[in-house]
Amino acid sequence: GNSVTQMEGPVTLSEEAFLTINCTYTATGYPSLFWYVQYPGEGLQLLLKATKADDKGSNKGFEATYRKETTSFHLEKGSVQVSDSAVYFCALSDWIGGATNKLIFGTGTLLAVQP
Amino acid sequence: EPEVTQTPSHQVTQMGQEVILRCVPISNHLYFYWYRQILGQKVEFLVSFYNNEISEKSEIFDDQFSVERPDGSNFTLKIRSTKLEDSAMYFCASYPDSGPLQETQYFGPGTRLLVL
Repeated sequence: GNSVTQMEGPVTLSEEAFLTINCTYTATGYPSLFWYVQYPGEGLQLLLKATKADDKGSNKGFEATYRKETTSFHLEKGSVQVSDSAVYFCALSDWIGGATNKLIFGTGTLLAVQP
Repeated sequence: EPEVTQTPSHQVTQMGQEVILRCVPISNHLYFYWYRQILGQKVEFLVSFYNNEISEKSEIFDDQFSVERPDGSNFTLKIRSTKLEDSAMYFCASYPDSGPLQETQYFGPGTRLLVL
């Protein structure tokens, strides 16, 4: 079945450090891939997405490239800020004609950025 | 920008009681979803709803759960007899169309349910 595996957290970084959060997936078709962010006490917000192989999603300095050969969608940011502290979820949606496009989430990675 | 809204934001109930969680999806959307997140765990799919019927449900979505779109705007999740393990954040989401998920599902802010 379809699944998403994310690196375990928490990840603790100093401000301006480089961030990588690993995400790999298993899917039967041609999934779309997403990163969602959840700030403390809030709901889920889409951070970025990629809908086909080699696409790069980017937003707010975050990037992730859809790598079909390694079934990965790692999240990166060159210089994190304290305001980036949140839980980050990798997710996929694998549409196979008539399916309902449900999202399958990874376990989430807590990022804590210290000043 | 249109948004999905959910009420209440928090609900506390006694075990065995019925609860109804309400959602107002974005008005021109066709697919509706409920997800839940037990504290500290991942977000899990519960059910999807299209054309006034359930299109898919997970194994979590047993006979104690039901969904309804009673009036063309609200989308509700009912838990008939709550258990302690139903304590979670419940997210509603909506999506405009069929086909591959080119855009995101739009999530509401969630309802935090606590069963005592």
